[in-house]
Amino acid sequence: GAGVSQTPSNKVTEKGKYVELRCDPISGHTALYWYRQSLGQGPEFLIYFQGTGAADDSGLPNDRFFAVRPEGSVSTLKIQRTERGDSAVYLCASSSRGGKGSPLHFGNGTRLTVT
Amino acid sequence: DQQVKQNSPSLSVQEGRISILNCDYTNSMFDYFLWYKKYPAEGPTFLISISSIKDKNEDGRFTVFLNKSAKHLSLHIVPSQPGDSAVYFCAADAGGTSYGKLTFGQGTILTVHP
Repeated sequence: GAGVSQTPSNKVTEKGKYVELRCDPISGHTALYWYRQSLGQGPEFLIYFQGTGAADDSGLPNDRFFAVRPEGSVSTLKIQRTERGDSAVYLCASSSRGGKGSPLHFGNGTRLTVT
Repeated sequence: DQQVKQNSPSLSVQEGRISILNCDYTNSMFDYFLWYKKYPAEGPTFLISISSIKDKNEDGRFTVFLNKSAKHLSLHIVPSQPGDSAVYFCAADAGGTSYGKLTFGQGTILTVHP
């Protein structure tokens, strides 16, 4: 079956611009996560959705970052006034229910480059 | 502060031998640990996990060992195969109401030579 799909796979933008990154989770998965991976580091947690609501957004670095999941399926990560330090691979993951016995399934990520 | 550490950036082994990847953690609230494998340009793929109530979990060629007193876990791959060459991430979950909020190590690049 289809895995987690992320679009675009690559995004280059200028400093100060607004970007949206999209995630299509595995069908039926209620839990959705955004992580960010910088070069040479492991993924870092950004936000977790259970259904339509953000259950934990403690990893969002500042108020320029915002994510939505209006219908409990597709999610969009939005970054305003991008900075060069935002350059990273943004990973989306989903799991069937968000519990410990339910491993995360990651997409291939969106590589964001801010010039 | 790095709560999950993989101190070896890389590891090289011969095909057929054992690969041992190590991971240390500092947060006593972590109660579930996972290993993920990542190929270039792909997302991490779940390999194996272990709960803090166990000290060993085995799945085919992969075994994870947990030493809670030392706050240390390791992944053993036996026998290693060239297709195992990838970046391996150790991750930990502190539980509570936010399952899946994982803290990852920096990763170890494993190269298995034919």
